[in-house]
Amino acid sequence: GNSVTQMEGPVTLSEEAFLTINCTYTATGYPSLFWYVQYPGEGLQLLLKATKADDKGSNKGFEATYRKETTSFHLEKGSVQVSDSAVYFCAFYYGGSQGNLIFGKGTKLSVKP
Amino acid sequence: SAVISQKPSRDICQRGTSLTIQCQVDSQVTMMFWYRQQPGQSLTLIATANQGSEATYESGFVIDKFPISRPNLTFSTLTVSNMSPEDSSIYLCSVGIDTQYFGPGTRLTVL
Repeated sequence: GNSVTQMEGPVTLSEEAFLTINCTYTATGYPSLFWYVQYPGEGLQLLLKATKADDKGSNKGFEATYRKETTSFHLEKGSVQVSDSAVYFCAFYYGGSQGNLIFGKGTKLSVKP
Repeated sequence: SAVISQKPSRDICQRGTSLTIQCQVDSQVTMMFWYRQQPGQSLTLIATANQGSEATYESGFVIDKFPISRPNLTFSTLTVSNMSPEDSSIYLCSVGIDTQYFGPGTRLTVL
């Protein structure tokens, strides 16, 4: 069935380190792919998205490329900041009238100064 | 993207009571969604709320426990009924079809 497998955390990095959070999905067809971020004590914010193969979503220095051949959408950032400490969720929308999003389990990132 | 607000932002409730959570959007939307996020977990869709029709519930969620209203195209409520400590979660509403935008959430603690 439809599912998202996301790298388990927590992930702890030093400031200015390179970040990769892996995400792969299982779905029929070619869903739209998303990364959401949840800062401590807050709701979910859309970080970036990609709607078709080879699309690159980017925002706030984060990037992710829709890889159809590997069914992946890995999140990367070249230099993390303390303010990036949050939980990151990979998700996809598999279409249909109900608009259901399938979420990964989330990866908690802590960035130390 | 739509601006979404939720009330209350947090609450502490006694078991056996009910809490109604409000979700307000700054524009008219066809579909609104309610999610639950249990502590340390990911999000699970509770139901989809369309204006003018009954909500559609996901497996494991029932109307008697989570009644939903959708009186117009900018507003919805979710009630958590006869609460138990297992209902302690963050409840979020969202809007959108192929891209969903979320409210800030309601953090519920049941004692």
